[in-house]
Amino acid sequence: EAGVAQSPRYKIIEKRQSVAFWCNPISGHATLYWYQQILGQGPKLLIQFQNNGVVDDSQLPKDRFSAERLKGVDSTLKIQPAKLEDSAVYLCASTRQNLGGTEAFFGQGTRLTVV
Amino acid sequence: KQEVTQIPAALSVPEGENLVLNCSFTDSAIYNLQWFRQDPGKGLTSLLLIQSSQREQTSGRLNASLDKSSGRSTLYIAASQPGDSATYLCAVRPVKAGTALIFGKGTTLSVSS
Repeated sequence: EAGVAQSPRYKIIEKRQSVAFWCNPISGHATLYWYQQILGQGPKLLIQFQNNGVVDDSQLPKDRFSAERLKGVDSTLKIQPAKLEDSAVYLCASTRQNLGGTEAFFGQGTRLTVV
Repeated sequence: KQEVTQIPAALSVPEGENLVLNCSFTDSAIYNLQWFRQDPGKGLTSLLLIQSSQREQTSGRLNASLDKSSGRSTLYIAASQPGDSATYLCAVRPVKAGTALIFGKGTTLSVSS
């Protein structure tokens, strides 16, 4: 089965510009997560979707970050305007169900550099 | 608030050594614990998943244990190889506050030939 797909793999933008990342989860996986991983740190949850509804966005900086999952399949994460501290790897993950025992699978990530 | 700590932050060993990576978490109310491997510039690869009712899981040269009551897990790597060089991340899925994984900062392993 195909894994979690993310694009682009790399992106360099200037501060105050906007950027968007795309994620396509494993087929049939209802739950989708976006994580931010700053260099030297573990991934931190930004937002969790169950189908096309938001389960948890408590750590999403809503003044500049937005995310959507319109048809309950693929998802887009947007940053507008970007700041230098947004430089990080953005990881998308999915699980089959929003149940405790399920295993999470991650994509290759998008490395964002803000200059 | 659940916190996950991994010790050591970095480890260098010669090829062939057996080694142990440690993970501790502050709240024992978890559904499961997952160990991941991350190569430089890459995403996370799932290595082992241990459910809260299990004590250990094995895959090839890897063995992960879980002591939920004491908030600890270890990842044992037997007969290490240079190809094992990577960052190893531990993550727990808490019972409270949704089901998203909470990660440690990882242990960066370097195996020299």
